[in-house]
Amino acid sequence: QVQLQESGPGLVKPSETLSLTCTVSGGSISSNYWTWIRQPPGKGLEWIGHIYYSGSANYNPSLTSRVTISVDTSKNQFSLKVTSVTAADTAVYYCATGPSGSYSHYWGQGTLVTVSS
Amino acid sequence: QSVLTQAPSASGTPGQRVTISCSGSNSNIGSNYVHWYQQLPGTAPKLLIYRNNQRPSGVPDRFSGSKSGTSASLAISGLRSEDEADYYCAAWDDSLSTVVFGGGTKLTVL
Repeated sequence: QVQLQESGPGLVKPSETLSLTCTVSGGSISSNYWTWIRQPPGKGLEWIGHIYYSGSANYNPSLTSRVTISVDTSKNQFSLKVTSVTAADTAVYYCATGPSGSYSHYWGQGTLVTVSS
Repeated sequence: QSVLTQAPSASGTPGQRVTISCSGSNSNIGSNYVHWYQQLPGTAPKLLIYRNNQRPSGVPDRFSGSKSGTSASLAISGLRSEDEADYYCAAWDDSLSTVVFGGGTKLTVL
């Protein structure tokens, strides 16, 4: 069974770049869609974007100018970068995967990223 | 506000059947599959129903999904205390080219 683990800084300063990595085990990254979703404290889910293993990506239009998702097949990892962060980017960030771009079978446990000076 | 609309809360007693609704539009539910996630307190969401009415391996058949037009429903029969969680619907939106979520429904088992 595929397992996902998010890693990265838990605290990012305003205006800086948030960078997270998702390590995939129990399966190859060379298939499926690889997705990032976030959840502000006490709020609902927000889809950030996904990337197909071939490199083709889709992003949430509300974030597209600040977000990049990439895949590193050699490390079986995929990554998220969000530039120019503000307090509104404070959230639990989840990585997830599935055979379709619209739903995800497997999720990481999530990692809380706080934007604060 | 969320693109898909869900009631913020629902409740039921053990053994009861509960239905959670999700309303959208032609660009999302009306033309694409609906999926449902269960999020237990303090945990990551779990895929409960995909492609309107398909259950992943391991999900009890007490959970079922349906879709009609621009609305979808998740039904839980034989309600149990461990079903107390937040439930989210999701679908691809052709106009936005993004996955859209409902705001979530918090289910309380009385």
